[in-house]
Amino acid sequence: GQQLNQSPQSMFIQEGEDVSMNCTSSSIFNTWLWYKQDPGEGPVLLIALYKAGELTSNGRLTAQFGITRKDSFLNISASIPSDVGIYFCAGQVSYGNQFYFGTGTSLTVIP
Amino acid sequence: DGGITQSPKYLFRKEGQNVTLSCEQNLNHDAMYWYRQDPGQGLRLIYYSQIVNDFQKGDIAEGYSVSREKKESFPLTVTSAQKNPTAFYLCASSTEWREQGEQFFGPGTRLTVL
Repeated sequence: GQQLNQSPQSMFIQEGEDVSMNCTSSSIFNTWLWYKQDPGEGPVLLIALYKAGELTSNGRLTAQFGITRKDSFLNISASIPSDVGIYFCAGQVSYGNQFYFGTGTSLTVIP
Repeated sequence: DGGITQSPKYLFRKEGQNVTLSCEQNLNHDAMYWYRQDPGQGLRLIYYSQIVNDFQKGDIAEGYSVSREKKESFPLTVTSAQKNPTAFYLCASSTEWREQGEQFFGPGTRLTVL
């Protein structure tokens, strides 16, 4: 199946620092979604993007739909300990409803 | 409250037994999905259904079966043919397939085969 390249694989940052992660695809997507998953729980949807170039915020989180429609970025500003978790990107191809997922970015925030 | 429920949270089975995982949603979503997640890895699609009485295989369907008799329910059966069934199983649903949509997840079921 389709593979999304998500980077970095893991991040260790100090509380208060900003965080950036991204996903790239070999295919064009109609939709990009960003999720956060805590251990043993289901992923929680953070941000949904539907248009190339779109920039959407959710509190301290900001995500962008790349102009080429083959990439997306997630930024977290002023990180706090509860930001710890695994962040996944997901893309929906233009011809159907199947979603493809990145391998995740594990975020550790050091107080 | 609208959402997706999965039961049970933890499931233990003996090797060679079939087991069925429950997934129910009251979001009125047409599409439903089953994913498998192994430690430290991303989500892999097992089966998905865009409409009642119809479903398609995902990337790792071998050893699994599903049914979609009702819009709200999409149970997954892990059969004895699945070679390595111990994993975290996630059910999800999304808005009608012709529209751009959002996909929401249930809390997951951790299956351990002894």
